[in-house]
Formats: sequence, C-alpha cells, structure tokens
Amino acid sequence: AQKITQTQPGMFVQEKEAVTLDCTYDTSDPSYGLFWYKQPSSGEMIFLIYQGSYDQQNATEGRYSLNFQKARKSANLVISASQLGDSAMYFCAMSPYSGAGSYQLTFGKGTKLSVIP
Amino acid sequence: GAVVSQHPSWVICKSGTSVKIECRSLDFQATTMFWYRQFPKQSLMLMATSNEGSKATYEQGVEKDKFLINHASLTLSTLTVTSAHPEDSSFYICSASLPGGLVSTDTQYFGPGTRLTVL
Repeated sequence: AQKITQTQPGMFVQEKEAVTLDCTYDTSDPSYGLFWYKQPSSGEMIFLIYQGSYDQQNATEGRYSLNFQKARKSANLVISASQLGDSAMYFCAMSPYSGAGSYQLTFGKGTKLSVIP
Repeated sequence: GAVVSQHPSWVICKSGTSVKIECRSLDFQATTMFWYRQFPKQSLMLMATSNEGSKATYEQGVEKDKFLINHASLTLSTLTVTSAHPEDSSFYICSASLPGGLVSTDTQYFGPGTRLTVL
C-alpha cells in the first residue's frame, strides 16, 4: 500500500518569495511516480509537475521544482517567486509505477497555501 | 492541450433519482479514466478505474451497482449515481490519462468537477 503524508495543513508566503511544501511517502513498490497538483477554490485539479523514482535529476517546470530525496522518501514542491494566483490547495500524489502505463493515484491530505501581498 | 471537461458542473436532485455525469477528454484519447470523490476540505478518494471497452474496476467499499461507470469511447466516460441519497452529496472529479510514452507513466489530467447535492 502507498501512503502520502503532507504535514503542513496551511502555509503563508510573502509575494515574490519562495516556498517549500513538504511531502513524504511510503511504499514498497520498487518504482513509482510522484505528482503535484494544485486545486484553486474553483475545484479543478491542475497538474504541476512529475518525478519518476528512477529519474536522476529533480524535475522542474517553470517556477515549480520538485526536491526529490529518495533515501528520505520525500518529494517537496518548491515554488519560486510566489504570485497571488498561487494561493490554492496543493496535493502531493503517487502512482505505483513510473514506467509506461496509467496507474491510480494516492493523494495526500493537501496543504493550503496563502500568498500575502 | 490535455483538456478534460465534465458536465454538469453542478446538479441538485431529489432523493431517489439518478444522476449522470459525463467526463470528456477534448484534445486527446484516453484509454483510462478515473473517477474520484472529494468531501469538503478533504483529499481525493479514488472510486474506480475506467478502461475503454471494458468493465470498470471499483475500489474497496464503493458500490458498483450504485455508481455505474461506462467508458464507451476513448474520449468519454460517464458516472451514473443511481437512486441518489443525501449521503451521496459530494464533489465528483474525473481524470483522463494522457499517455506518457514508452518510458514515462501517464499523467492524469482532471476535469473541473461536478458538485452533486441530493435533497
């Protein structure tokens, strides 16, 4: 079974500052995929970034980067230069495999990020 | 690219009626779609995995006779809540898997969700 833990129910960050959202995971699968999604108040889930467990380099997508530390089983999301539009719930999720194919996601409880002007 | 739509975005119905929710991938074909349920201020819980042309796979505790899923084409999956009751009121979200290629897992792109209220 897979488990995702997000220990920060809520976070505040000043506009233009960087912020790190924590995510730790537990799995017995030899390979897995890690995802981050953003959910604004409108409810839609927006895909942000993906990291495969065998990827050598940390994933980056624009202002988003994933700090993947396999030995610590952590996959923290770093948002640089925060913007007011970044205020939302952020969910960390994992799939049981990182190879080709479609796999169910297990989600964490989420972190509510509030960006302060 | 990778746009997923859901219809309706919200629905209110009387107890005992059935409600159908559609999930469409607009600009890609999705062999696999997923249906999730989200209660207020909680995370997403997977209800079922839907593969085109075959029966859906339901998660433990999800009543397959109550939540009917049909994946008739590579761009459309439907969830029908049969004989809905107030406890079925929730936010239902679908996702469609965009193929990741030969070495990468597919990425799930989500629809905007459907808020169901059963009176």
